[in-house]
Amino acid sequence: AQSVTQPDIHITVSEGASLELRCNYSYGATPYLFWYVQSPGQGLQLLLKYFSGDTLVQGIKGFEAEFKRSQSSFNLRKPSVHWSDAAEYFCAVVFTGGGNKLTFGTGTQLKVEL
Amino acid sequence: DGGITQSPKYLFRKEGQNVTLSCEQNLNHDAMYWYRQDPGQGLRLIYYSQIVNDFQKGDIAEGYSVSREKKESFPLTVTSAQKNPTAFYLCASGVRAATNEKLFFGSGTQLSVL
Repeated sequence: AQSVTQPDIHITVSEGASLELRCNYSYGATPYLFWYVQSPGQGLQLLLKYFSGDTLVQGIKGFEAEFKRSQSSFNLRKPSVHWSDAAEYFCAVVFTGGGNKLTFGTGTQLKVEL
Repeated sequence: DGGITQSPKYLFRKEGQNVTLSCEQNLNHDAMYWYRQDPGQGLRLIYYSQIVNDFQKGDIAEGYSVSREKKESFPLTVTSAQKNPTAFYLCASGVRAATNEKLFFGSGTQLSVL
């Protein structure tokens, strides 16, 4: 079955520390992959996306993500977290050929300690 | 300014009442979407429309209805048949429905039952 999993519900990091948020998917081919961020009570903003090509993609706000086909993963990273990065992060996937609908993971809530 | 607008920000529903959530976009996007967000469950697709006068059910369409009479507007009605309507509702629009390449989200409507 097609699915997308974010194994970490909550993550806490200190300001200035590095960050990695995990995202795994289950699918027989390579899907389209996205990371979105949501501030409290707000809509979602696209951070970055991967369709094909270079497996390391750069996004806004200093975020990057790496697609690893062998691990079916698309983890989000940031070298140095800022307090303003505290938010909820969603991995999302389009399973091509399945109506092209966007399927979201359950989200990871990031807390940044000063 | 171009964007996507949801109203109202907060909405209360009485038992047995239908309520309509508004979503308007001036981005000239063909595709529009409605998602429901519950804590710990991520976003789930209710309905989507790829073109005017056409729409499809998403994963949790029961108890909801939509219309797409104009390109700019995609209102969602939460009917009395939806027994658990309390949630945060997000509307989105996009340029390319086939890839969901980049979705623009509204700021959401919080619906609660009185």
